[in-house]
Amino acid sequence: DGGITQSPKYLFRKEGQNVTLSCEQNLNHDAMYWYRQDPGQGLRLIYYSQIVNDFQKGDIAEGYSVSREKKESFPLTVTSAQKNPTAFYLCASSIAGTESYPQHFGDGTRLSIL
Amino acid sequence: AQSVTQPDIHITVSEGASLELRCNYSYGATPYLFWYVQSPGQGLQLLLKYFSGDTLVQGIKGFEAEFKRSQSSFNLRKPSVHWSDAAEYFCAVGPSRNFGNEKLTFGTGTRLTIIP
Repeated sequence: DGGITQSPKYLFRKEGQNVTLSCEQNLNHDAMYWYRQDPGQGLRLIYYSQIVNDFQKGDIAEGYSVSREKKESFPLTVTSAQKNPTAFYLCASSIAGTESYPQHFGDGTRLSIL
Repeated sequence: AQSVTQPDIHITVSEGASLELRCNYSYGATPYLFWYVQSPGQGLQLLLKYFSGDTLVQGIKGFEAEFKRSQSSFNLRKPSVHWSDAAEYFCAVGPSRNFGNEKLTFGTGTRLTIIP
């Protein structure tokens, strides 16, 4: 079955360390997204990408970076500049175009500070 | 700027009872509207969406939602809930006039508990 795979499920970061969250999809979707979810809050968009080698900042991109070298992969790096990285991170994908919206989500990565 | 309000943080319903989850949005034109469901520790699943046309939208798992422009609402309903419906529900709004709806605004969610 097609879907989105996020790994790892749990991740721990030390102070000053960069960590990378993996997101892979086999849905042949052009668009991919990264969201951050904090308790009691809705999802907030970090980055999104409509096509390979192109991506745009979302509402809370500071302290994060992404790459989109392959259609099926959209890794997210949480840098040491992100001072409050503890959260649940969700990756999503969709078709591209005028009615593009997050259609499929992965099961998330929970990031904590050591 | 667009915004979404889900006024109920937590709702408890008996199994077999009807359900209505409230969602109010703020947007200058007719938006695209969505409901998603999230089980604990998992990602979101799209229940239904409204883009245009019939204001009563049918979704998966027996859910429906009604777009009421005059009330700026998009409430989610189900006539008879099942224990498996216990989850967190998110309403979201997107700017329909833009190219794509990448920048959805999500509500803060309503947690649904089902009692036997």
